[in-house]
Amino acid sequence: AQSVTQPDIHITVSEGASLELRCNYSYGATPYLFWYVQSPGQGLQLLLKYFSGDTLVQGIKGFEAEFKRSQSSFNLRKPSVHWSDAAEYFCAVLIGSQGNLIFGKGTKLSVKP
Amino acid sequence: GAGVSQTPSNKVTEKGKYVELRCDPISGHTALYWYRQSLGQGPEFLIYFQGTGAADDSGLPNDRFFAVRPEGSVSTLKIQRTERGDSAVYLCASSLSLPGAGNTIYFGEGSWLTVV
Repeated sequence: AQSVTQPDIHITVSEGASLELRCNYSYGATPYLFWYVQSPGQGLQLLLKYFSGDTLVQGIKGFEAEFKRSQSSFNLRKPSVHWSDAAEYFCAVLIGSQGNLIFGKGTKLSVKP
Repeated sequence: GAGVSQTPSNKVTEKGKYVELRCDPISGHTALYWYRQSLGQGPEFLIYFQGTGAADDSGLPNDRFFAVRPEGSVSTLKIQRTERGDSAVYLCASSLSLPGAGNTIYFGEGSWLTVV
């Protein structure tokens, strides 16, 4: 069955430190992968997406993610975290070509001053 | 507005009552989706419309849930005989066309439903 696993429920990093959020997926075909961010009381905002081509994808707000087919992973990274990055982050895989996104349970990011 | 608009933002209803949640997608977007997000979970797919028709309703949990999009724009999610387990945030999203063609799915801020 298709699934997305985000192993870390909650991560705390210091402002200015680097960040990596883990995501593993299970899907038989070529995956379309996404990272969304959700701030309290806000909707989901797309950070970046991978469809094909270069496996290192650049997104908004200085985020990037790398698709590794051999590891079934799509980890999100940022070299220097800002306090405004505190939010919940969701990894998702698109099932088929329509609108069925399978989301992970999310990783909550806290940023220490 | 520029984004996906959902009303109401919050709804408290009594168990057994009927509820309607409305979604106004981004203008020109033919694809519309409904997701449900329970506390501490990621969003779960409910239904997808392409134009006026429901192209995939495999995520609707049971026949108490129904959604329509009669003119291919605004959509309404309808929940009959609400149960406490229906309490969640209901997210609407839209995209220009099929997301598999590279189109981004844009989400609204959600309708928080509480069944007491």
